Amino acid sequence: EAQVTQNPRYLITVTGKKLTVTCSQNMNHEYMSWYRQDPGLGLRQIYYSMNVEVTDKGDVPEGYKVSRKEKRNFPLILESPSPNQTSLYFCASSLRGLVLYNEQFFGPGTRLTVL
Amino acid sequence: AQTVTQSQPEMSVQEAETVTLSCTYDTSESDYYLFWYKQPPSRQMILVIRQEAYKQQNATENRFSVNFQKAAKSFSLKISDSQLGDAAMYFCAYTEETSGSRLTFGEGTQLTVNP
Repeated sequence: EAQVTQNPRYLITVTGKKLTVTCSQNMNHEYMSWYRQDPGLGLRQIYYSMNVEVTDKGDVPEGYKVSRKEKRNFPLILESPSPNQTSLYFCASSLRGLVLYNEQFFGPGTRLTVL
Repeated sequence: AQTVTQSQPEMSVQEAETVTLSCTYDTSESDYYLFWYKQPPSRQMILVIRQEAYKQQNATENRFSVNFQKAAKSFSLKISDSQLGDAAMYFCAYTEETSGSRLTFGEGTQLTVNP
């Protein structure tokens, strides 16, 4: 089944404890992206990747890191999480960038709480 | 920076009736794409409909249609014959053809469908 998977789906952690949220897609998509969703703010793009070893900042990259060493994986790293990073996180992928329009497929979301 | 605004945080509609969700956006580009996404309680992000800016004809997908007013930078979603399963958070989103990657979302509109 074609899908985007995220792990973990739920995570409660404490301030300063490094964490990684994994994202994997099995559709051979070149483009991958991370968003965070907060009430009243919609979804905001954190980072995106057009292909392996190519990443770029979105609208809210502060406090996050990403890497794209393999085409299928795009982990989101919080080196020192803070309470303002408590949010719902989505990973998404598409065959290419959106220039020629390719639908973005979203993962199921990761609910992160930082105490 | 591009912005997308949904001025209706909440809307409600009676089953079988029609409802229109509003979206406005700000851009200096002439080529871009607009989308409506649905997020049911499962949190899954589902693409409902898309509109290419160069197309004058409004997009339609079954009971969902848009009213795209390029000069006014308005992109509303009309849901006809509303069903209980249409209850969800709806997000308007925008991307530039030139950037090909950055997706900007509105704040969202929570739609309730009353039986």
